[in-house]
Amino acid sequence: SQQGEEDPQALSIQEGENATMNCSYKTSINNLQWYRQNSGRGLVHLILIRSNEREKHSGRLRVTLDTSKKSSSLLITASRAADTASYFCATDYGGQNFVFGPGTRLSVLP
Amino acid sequence: EAGVAQSPRYKIIEKRQSVAFWCNPISGHATLYWYQQILGQGPKLLIQFQNNGVVDDSQLPKDRFSAERLKGVDSTLKIQPAKLEDSAVYLCASSLDWAAYGYTFGSGTRLTVV
Repeated sequence: SQQGEEDPQALSIQEGENATMNCSYKTSINNLQWYRQNSGRGLVHLILIRSNEREKHSGRLRVTLDTSKKSSSLLITASRAADTASYFCATDYGGQNFVFGPGTRLSVLP
Repeated sequence: EAGVAQSPRYKIIEKRQSVAFWCNPISGHATLYWYQQILGQGPKLLIQFQNNGVVDDSQLPKDRFSAERLKGVDSTLKIQPAKLEDSAVYLCASSLDWAAYGYTFGSGTRLTVV
């Protein structure tokens, strides 16, 4: 399969803690994206990182990309209950669309 | 700007019946996607349109699924006949420049086949 694989599959943390999710992929990519999906809703685009970039920030989110290890990580700092959702990485493999991984289910406990 | 609109929001049908989903992408977005998301899994691409032409339909089960995008705007996805394993959320997404900005998703249609 060409899809990325998120790790862990599920994560529970307390409000205020940081949450880190990882995505590993198999072949070279041009771009990698992270999406969030709240229960019963569509996916929301968080960050896109290109293969020549190593780190990007957006608010409380930080994404890193290590092309030598074929992996990416998503860090959410100072988590809130509203961050409870599934998080997906999506990779393009040089094609014309993105392939999604199975996701990490994050639960932020108050 | 208005988001990606999908309807219906929910649909319950019996196996072997037919069903259709509708999607209205963001104005000006040339690329439109239909994804199938089975509970607990990531979305899987069914078909990708560029304007009204098909770019990728390699994972569309063409014996029962069909999709069209008339005039390069709205799109419909049809399943005929439905099977139990088609129970999933069907997500529509559109993009202005997928490699630069990613996708904008609709809220999806949750299909239950009984």
